[in-house]
Amino acid sequence: AQTVTQSQPEMSVQEAETVTLSCTYDTSESDYYLFWYKQPPSRQMILVIRQEAYKQQNATENRFSVNFQKAAKSFSLKISDSQLGDAAMYFCAYRSAGAGGTSYGKLTFGQGTILTVHP
Amino acid sequence: DGGITQSPKYLFRKEGQNVTLSCEQNLNHDAMYWYRQDPGQGLRLIYYSQIVNDFQKGDIAEGYSVSREKKESFPLTVTSAQKNPTAFYLCASSAGSLAGRTEAFFGQGTRLTVV
Repeated sequence: AQTVTQSQPEMSVQEAETVTLSCTYDTSESDYYLFWYKQPPSRQMILVIRQEAYKQQNATENRFSVNFQKAAKSFSLKISDSQLGDAAMYFCAYRSAGAGGTSYGKLTFGQGTILTVHP
Repeated sequence: DGGITQSPKYLFRKEGQNVTLSCEQNLNHDAMYWYRQDPGQGLRLIYYSQIVNDFQKGDIAEGYSVSREKKESFPLTVTSAQKNPTAFYLCASSAGSLAGRTEAFFGQGTRLTVV
């Protein structure tokens, strides 16, 4: 079974600065997807960024980028130019790509990191 | 607008009662999921369904039941056998692996409290 670990229960950053959230995972599979989801105080889960394991290039979405190290099974999220609206709980998640479409799209989540942004 | 609707937003259950949480999606997604969120534990999978009339147990299915009679609907029943049901429950859907789409979309959640 796959496991996802977020070792930082809480992080803080000053507005306009950069912060990196860590995530490691354990799997014996070679094909999978990794995600970062954001959960603000409203508790709505919002997809931040997605990475396909077969792609060597790190995914980027505006101020959000990842550092994907497949051999090390590491998937960190970097938030640049942090904004007050970035304050939220961030979850790292794993999904198997599956063979023949049998993965059902199940997500395995880490424990989450609470990000505080100071003005 | 397409999306996932969960209701109610807040639900209170007395000891020994069964309660049902509603989840409806109009995204035409094949797969639907129920997750439970407790403080400090992230989200844990309760049940999931790939197609109508088929569903599978997740990691913490004991004390819960589901049905999938329609593609759009995936209700979750919290039975009296669930000893610690107070939690935040999230429903999600995805287009499924075969569709080439990988992300899951989430509802706004139901907060269940035992009184």
